[in-house]
Amino acid sequence: NAGVTQTPKFRILKIGQSMTLQCTQDMNHNYMYWYRQDPGMGLKLIYYSVGAGITDKGEVPNGYNVSRSTTEDFPLRLELAAPSQTSVYFCASSGSTEAFFGQGTRLTVV
Amino acid sequence: QKEVEQNSGPLSVPEGAIASLNCTYSDRGSQSFFWYRQYSGKSPELIMFIYSNGDKEDGRFTAQLNKASQYVSLLIRDSQPSDSATYLCAVNGLGNDMRFGAGTRLTVKP
Repeated sequence: NAGVTQTPKFRILKIGQSMTLQCTQDMNHNYMYWYRQDPGMGLKLIYYSVGAGITDKGEVPNGYNVSRSTTEDFPLRLELAAPSQTSVYFCASSGSTEAFFGQGTRLTVV
Repeated sequence: QKEVEQNSGPLSVPEGAIASLNCTYSDRGSQSFFWYRQYSGKSPELIMFIYSNGDKEDGRFTAQLNKASQYVSLLIRDSQPSDSATYLCAVNGLGNDMRFGAGTRLTVKP
């Protein structure tokens, strides 16, 4: 039982490049989330999904896109990367109570 | 805008003392409330969740919820150096858009 798996763990991106952060969960959870965490700060909600085919914006959606074609996968797409997107990104999934987090992706945009 | 606010700290207590962490939220429709612990460089992990007004105890931890005052707190009794971490308050609204506060950094001094 792997839980929530995020890839990659680390990535350096050049300004203007694009990339997709992958997130997969094997717990059959309906709810999935993407957060970013800047140094010394809490988690900011980027996008979330309450089930396959349904996504919604969180607090800081600008510069990001998501899709949820299956229950298991919730990829986060960064288009035209900017230095302000340098952060640690966490994916999480939830059933009816607690959220389980992936190990995080540390992204640096230079 | 749905807000979750925590005292940013840092909070320092001696070993064996009680640590008190506080959180307020703005969305009156919020349904469930969580406390997560995050060690430096790690993913958040759940300590407790609470749905109903009142107290909920689990070992050395007690969560308190007052929906009328839109306030949730976490008490840690007999604090240990291993409790030193950042504590994140999370609030889940009707739309299951789980949002976090900025976190409170706790240091327990031996």
